[in-house]
Amino acid sequence: KQEVTQIPAALSVPEGENLVLNCSFTDSAIYNLQWFRQDPGKGLTSLLLIQSSQREQTSGRLNASLDKSSGRSTLYIAASQPGDSATYLCAVSSNTGNQFYFGTGTSLTVIP
Amino acid sequence: GAVVSQHPSWVICKSGTSVKIECRSLDFQATTMFWYRQFPKQSLMLMATSNEGSKATYEQGVEKDKFLINHASLTLSTLTVTSAHPEDSSFYICSATGAGSYLNTEAFFGQGTRLTVV
Repeated sequence: KQEVTQIPAALSVPEGENLVLNCSFTDSAIYNLQWFRQDPGKGLTSLLLIQSSQREQTSGRLNASLDKSSGRSTLYIAASQPGDSATYLCAVSSNTGNQFYFGTGTSLTVIP
Repeated sequence: GAVVSQHPSWVICKSGTSVKIECRSLDFQATTMFWYRQFPKQSLMLMATSNEGSKATYEQGVEKDKFLINHASLTLSTLTVTSAHPEDSSFYICSATGAGSYLNTEAFFGQGTRLTVV
């Protein structure tokens, strides 16, 4: 069964710093990898979707990379802001459909 | 992107009662819907997968008689927690995929429902 791990579990950085969140998965036979943001008590906001044939996606200050063969993805956040404080979830979908397996998340706090 | 609406966003119920949560795709036909559960400080765990007009497929360890899923139309799936108990208190969230274009390569999530059983 697919297992998804995120490191670190929690991260606290001063405003303006660049940071990297890590995600690893055990089964490289994935269809998509998606990064989400979850604010406390709220649902999921999709940040970036990387299809298995792609190596990276960018949206504004966010850049996500995918190395499918090694089972790794990173989410790079440039020039962090207090509004970036949230839990970031990595999820991979099986190659049979859009059933997602989620990591445990990284709780990010950006200090003003 | 496609929009999935989940209702209610939060609900408090008494132990022993049943609660129904709705998940609607507002601007696309959802051929497949997924239901997840998230306990505090844990990640989302898939409970079941439902295709329109078919019985849901439940993950191991999820009681199908307790968590009733109905996907009667291409825009609506419901999750009913029957005879709820305090240990069922959790955050429930649905996602949906559709047919064609980007709809079948990306899952779209509802806002989630916070269930508290007292």
